[in-house]
Amino acid sequence: QVQLVQSGAEVKKPGASVKVSCKTSGYDFISYDVNWVRQAPGQGLDWMGWMNPYSGNALYAQKFQGRVTMTRNTSTTTAYLELSSLRSEDTAVYYCVRSHFGLDVWGQGTTVTVSS
Amino acid sequence: EIVMTQSPGTLSLSPGESATLSCRASQSVNSAYLAWYQQKPGQAPRLVIYGTSTRATGIPDRFSGSGSGTDFTLTISRLEPEDFAVYYCQQYGGSSYTFGQGTKLEIK
Repeated sequence: QVQLVQSGAEVKKPGASVKVSCKTSGYDFISYDVNWVRQAPGQGLDWMGWMNPYSGNALYAQKFQGRVTMTRNTSTTTAYLELSSLRSEDTAVYYCVRSHFGLDVWGQGTTVTVSS
Repeated sequence: EIVMTQSPGTLSLSPGESATLSCRASQSVNSAYLAWYQQKPGQAPRLVIYGTSTRATGIPDRFSGSGSGTDFTLTISRLEPEDFAVYYCQQYGGSSYTFGQGTKLEIK
């Protein structure tokens, strides 16, 4: 079955960077875009951008441009999200999500806590 | 950026009743690119409706979607206890995807 399995929780200090992985299985990795969506505690969903695993091209939401990088490793069918210059407001659950007629398959989420 | 506004913020209903959730876009949205998601506490969201009115895999037929242009609706008939959750609309056209702020459907 289609699965997206994310890396474990992270605790980072302000100003640091974090890299979250998303291991995919059960489908042709290069045929579907991978999105990243985050959710701050008690808040709604915030789309961060998407990446085309075939080309490696990515489109980032304006609010994250300059701080976010989405990459992939096609040999391991894994997508990555890197967010730099972390601040307390980046504390959230980060989800990787496959695009196929909407966001149809979600990872389990990775909690990133930014605290001094 | 297209802003999605959902109403009401909270909807209190009893099992067996019908729920009507609204989503309004700040500009016209291609109906092929309007989706609804359900999220329960501690879980990842789940796709419910895509393309305005097509149910995702495994979604029961008591869920239905409609709308066009800037106004979209998710209707849940004969509410079951498992339907009580937060629902988000999302547009996914063009160069950015945006979510509404969510409607919490709670048991009255």
